[in-house]
Amino acid sequence: GAVVSQHPSWVICKSGTSVKIECRSLDFQATTMFWYRQFPKQSLMLMATSNEGSKATYEQGVEKDKFLINHASLTLSTLTVTSAHPEDSSFYICSASQSLGTEAFFGQGTRLTVV
Amino acid sequence: KQEVTQIPAALSVPEGENLVLNCSFTDSAIYNLQWFRQDPGKGLTSLLLIQSSQREQTSGRLNASLDKSSGRSTLYIAASQPGDSATYLCAVVSGTASKLTFGTGTRLQVTL
Repeated sequence: GAVVSQHPSWVICKSGTSVKIECRSLDFQATTMFWYRQFPKQSLMLMATSNEGSKATYEQGVEKDKFLINHASLTLSTLTVTSAHPEDSSFYICSASQSLGTEAFFGQGTRLTVV
Repeated sequence: KQEVTQIPAALSVPEGENLVLNCSFTDSAIYNLQWFRQDPGKGLTSLLLIQSSQREQTSGRLNASLDKSSGRSTLYIAASQPGDSATYLCAVVSGTASKLTFGTGTRLQVTL
């Protein structure tokens, strides 16, 4: 299957700093990527839809100024957690599919710990 | 709003047993349904994708069925192995934005 690479796999940062997470589709172009957040022992919650060349679409309750998404190319989307706080500590996962209705492929996830 | 539920939430079976995981969704207007596996602290691995026009898909010891009209899917695992231990998630794509809505997951433990 197609490969989606996410980097870094884990990161520890100090409260108040910003962290950038990258999501790359390695062998296909993805006009749309998705960012999810997962709390321990819970399912994935969609945060936002990342659209290449345009603004991201955020789900209700997700602060767009805190979770900045940039989708500058057809193979790369980034999520920046700005002014991180301990409550932002979570597992963040991205996904991409080649087109509507096709199989979704997921990155390896990023474990963010804010201390 | 689409809601996806999985039953049971957790399951423990002895090695070699066949088992069925259940997934239900409230809005039958879906594009497809996908089953994933997630190991602790890891990302998701796609297992099977069923398009809305299909009724089942098979891959090795896995078989997934889809009854779109009743809003149900099942994942059948034959001859379970300890390596099958993981959380299994089903997700549906519905609406125009190709967004996945995930179920609550089933944590499977296969014991020796």
